[in-house]
Amino acid sequence: KAGVTQTPRYLIKTRGQQVTLSCSPISGHRSVSWYQQTPGQGLQFLFEYFSETQRNKGNFPGRFSGRQFSNSRSEMNVSTLELGDSALYLCASSVGQEISYEQYFGPGTRLTVT
Amino acid sequence: GDSVTQMEGPVTLSEEAFLTINCTYTATGYPSLFWYVQYPGEGLQLLLKATKADDKGSNKGFEATYRKETTSFHLEKGSVQVSDSAVYFCALGYTGTASKLTFGTGTRLQVTL
Repeated sequence: KAGVTQTPRYLIKTRGQQVTLSCSPISGHRSVSWYQQTPGQGLQFLFEYFSETQRNKGNFPGRFSGRQFSNSRSEMNVSTLELGDSALYLCASSVGQEISYEQYFGPGTRLTVT
Repeated sequence: GDSVTQMEGPVTLSEEAFLTINCTYTATGYPSLFWYVQYPGEGLQLLLKATKADDKGSNKGFEATYRKETTSFHLEKGSVQVSDSAVYFCALGYTGTASKLTFGTGTRLQVTL
C-alpha cells in the first residue's frame, strides 16, 4: 500500500511569490492535515480537510490556504511568501477524525524562501 | 490552551543503555497522548499512544504510561540500539479533532556503539 506522497520534495521561492504544495493521501483516507515544521516553532497545525471541507484550522494568517479534491488529494497554497515561511511542510492522512485512527505522515516538502 | 513540553536534546547514549525522554503536558480537556518518531529525511511515524489515564502504550520495546496526576507521558526503552537514533515527538490530541495534534519541540536521540 503506497504511503502519503508529497510533491515537490524541495522548493526554492523568492519573497513575495506564491507557492502550491500537493499531498496525495493513502488510498481510502479521507482526512488530510497539514503541519508546518520549523526549528524555532516546532510542528504547528495548519489545517485539516475531510471530504473536501475544511474541518479545523490552526493559527496562521490568511496567506495560508488549502483545499481538498474529490479524490482526497489536497493542496496548500501560500501567497506573498515571507522569509519566515521557510519550513518543512508535512501532510498527514487518516481514515477519519476519530482518535483511534492513526495519522500517516508524508516525507514533507522543504520550502526555502529567499 | 494545550501545550506539550519535552526535555531538551540531544540525548546521546551508548548502545544498550536505558532511555528516558520526559514529556509533560497541559490540557484543557482529556486528551489522548502520542509519541511519534522522525528518522532523517522521513515524515513522522506513530510509535505508540495512550487514550486514557493509566494506559500504557508500547511498541518496538518503547513504553510510555499516561499519568494524569503528574500530567506526564515519559518515553522509556530498556536497551537502545543505533537504529533508534531519530527525533522523538510527544503530542496530544482529541477525538473529533484528532488530526489537530499539539506537538512538543522534539528530542533528538543519538545512539553510539
